[in-house]
Amino acid sequence: GAVVSQHPSWVICKSGTSVKIECRSLDFQATTMFWYRQFPKQSLMLMATSNEGSKATYEQGVEKDKFLINHASLTLSTLTVTSAHPEDSSFYICSARSSYGYTFGSGTRLTVV
Amino acid sequence: DQQVKQNSPSLSVQEGRISILNCDYTNSMFDYFLWYKKYPAEGPTFLISISSIKDKNEDGRFTVFLNKSAKHLSLHIVPSQPGDSAVYFCAASAANSGYALNFGKGTSLLVTP
Repeated sequence: GAVVSQHPSWVICKSGTSVKIECRSLDFQATTMFWYRQFPKQSLMLMATSNEGSKATYEQGVEKDKFLINHASLTLSTLTVTSAHPEDSSFYICSARSSYGYTFGSGTRLTVV
Repeated sequence: DQQVKQNSPSLSVQEGRISILNCDYTNSMFDYFLWYKKYPAEGPTFLISISSIKDKNEDGRFTVFLNKSAKHLSLHIVPSQPGDSAVYFCAASAANSGYALNFGKGTSLLVTP
């Protein structure tokens, strides 16, 4: 079946630094990647949709200059949290849509201190 | 604005009995619905889905029912097992919004021996 490898699984960073999260589709091509964020006891909220080779589409309220998404190839999409602050601490998950359906990464727990 | 709603944050069921998890949605353009099981700090695990052209889909112990006129779907698990204890998310997508998944807030299911 389809597998999306997401890493790191957890990261602690200092306030003001940037963190990059990678999602790789291992045995299929992900033309579309969705990025979600989940706060404790909350739903998975869609942040942005990225299509390979084009600019990401951000949901309302999500700062595109703060959450940089790059989908340069059919197997790799990255989310960079720039100038991270404690309020960015959350669980970030990617999901690829393909003929296999929706495949989720295992998530990244980001803690900004 | 939460377009997918799971109004029961938690549910406790005895082993062997039926678990019924409910989900309501507001967007009439949703045409594909999914249920996921999730553990903390992990990505969602796909359980079962249903297209809007159907009103029932069954896979082993899991059955999803869709009532389009009521904008309501439910997941039935029978018989429930202790290993089913997890948070269950209902999700929906629409072709006209790029197939991004909209999630409910989840229902925490506890199956007791």
